[in-house]
Amino acid sequence: DTAVSQTPKYLVTQMGNDKSIKCEQNLGHDTMYWYKQDSKKFLKIMFSYNNKELIINETVPNRFSPKSPDKAHLNLHINSLELGDSAVYFCASRRGTRITEAFFGQGTRLTVV
Amino acid sequence: GEDVEQSLFLSVREGDSSVINCTYTDSSSTYLYWYKQEPGAGLQLLTYIFSNMDMKQDQRLTVLLNKKDKHLSLRIADTQTGDSAIYFCAEISSSASKIIFGSGTRLSIRP
Repeated sequence: DTAVSQTPKYLVTQMGNDKSIKCEQNLGHDTMYWYKQDSKKFLKIMFSYNNKELIINETVPNRFSPKSPDKAHLNLHINSLELGDSAVYFCASRRGTRITEAFFGQGTRLTVV
Repeated sequence: GEDVEQSLFLSVREGDSSVINCTYTDSSSTYLYWYKQEPGAGLQLLTYIFSNMDMKQDQRLTVLLNKKDKHLSLRIADTQTGDSAIYFCAEISSSASKIIFGSGTRLSIRP
């Protein structure tokens, strides 16, 4: 059983397109995140949701819009894709906002051409 | 602000010990992690340490925390080829709302 699953694993698309990445966790966690990992492997937080409410938005362009239909899902929609959006996007979840470990999905490698 | 720093590369001989170092700035961090990322894979939690501990040992892994210097290290004993990966140090922000990662240390093993 996969704890945090993301789909798709790979996404290749043209500039200007709109795409979505889905994330689901079956751990019963109430905090979920999106992280972006660039080509140098740096990991930067993008968004954090707790109980379906946005609690962190780290100055991400508004072309990126997270949506949390319920506590188990946090999807990422990206409008008007740009070359610089190419990266690996990781979803993660954690129990509460206190000091517990975060579980990560396998990542979605997005390539914009 | 919150910042976590690591050296980018480490090369060790198979069978030797590897020591990966990390410094952080948030003195109110209560929980520090080490994650491992193998090529093409997600992040796997290796171990963690509470800020009121100096050391934690878990099989081949030893974590040392120097809270005064805000320095964290991960020692891997008897390093094997399967240990080749990127190792990320991470801390929980003081607001406990986000996990802040270091740049990652790429560990390579030579025969």
